Amino acid sequence: QKEVEQNSGPLSVPEGAIASLNCTYSDRGSQSFFWYRQYSGKSPELIMFIYSNGDKEDGRFTAQLNKASQYVSLLIRDSQPSDSATYLCAVNTGGFKTIFGAGTRLFVKA
Amino acid sequence: DARVTQTPRHKVTEMGQEVTMRCQPILGHNTVFWYRQTMMQGLELLAYFRNRAPLDDSGMPKDRFSAEMPDATLATLKIQPSEPRDSAVYFCASVSAEAGNSYEQYFGPGTRLTVT
Repeated sequence: QKEVEQNSGPLSVPEGAIASLNCTYSDRGSQSFFWYRQYSGKSPELIMFIYSNGDKEDGRFTAQLNKASQYVSLLIRDSQPSDSATYLCAVNTGGFKTIFGAGTRLFVKA
Repeated sequence: DARVTQTPRHKVTEMGQEVTMRCQPILGHNTVFWYRQTMMQGLELLAYFRNRAPLDDSGMPKDRFSAEMPDATLATLKIQPSEPRDSAVYFCASVSAEAGNSYEQYFGPGTRLTVT
């Protein structure tokens, strides 16, 4: 079992819709959770981080964390074609070690 | 404009040759990571340093890979000898010394390595 699992997609949503990206992790002791966006041919870019159970909102992005279920999600409201990218879930498992999921490809159709 | 820089951006080399990749972390960032990304394996952690000392290099093939941080502004990743299976994009990332427990990583643009 992989330590951080994501559906590889592709996830296709129409412009203006809500895109929901999900991630599960195996290490119950994990404390910090991150979402990175990676455009094709570019480097990962941090867009959200969350440490506490519940929701964290930043503009059109909302990160949700449920430690009991070992589940992290990212919601993108009012999806735009420019949101089309691969979204990487990352989990800090202790110290500075961070494990990345394989990523979910998102397509937003105009 | 603070960002992580990496050189070279692209490298094509023949099997058996030595490859050296360089990374300059953001000024003030004291933790540096090396990752390798391929379509098959995704983003894999190779090694990371804190205050120039190696903390974990368990993800790195020891027989051919080596990583060093000779000073606070330079990290290097060397492959000797290179093999075709080393073809990948190699990313460097850094974390601020003031990050506390946040561990937010900032990535460089990557070095795309092709070994023929």
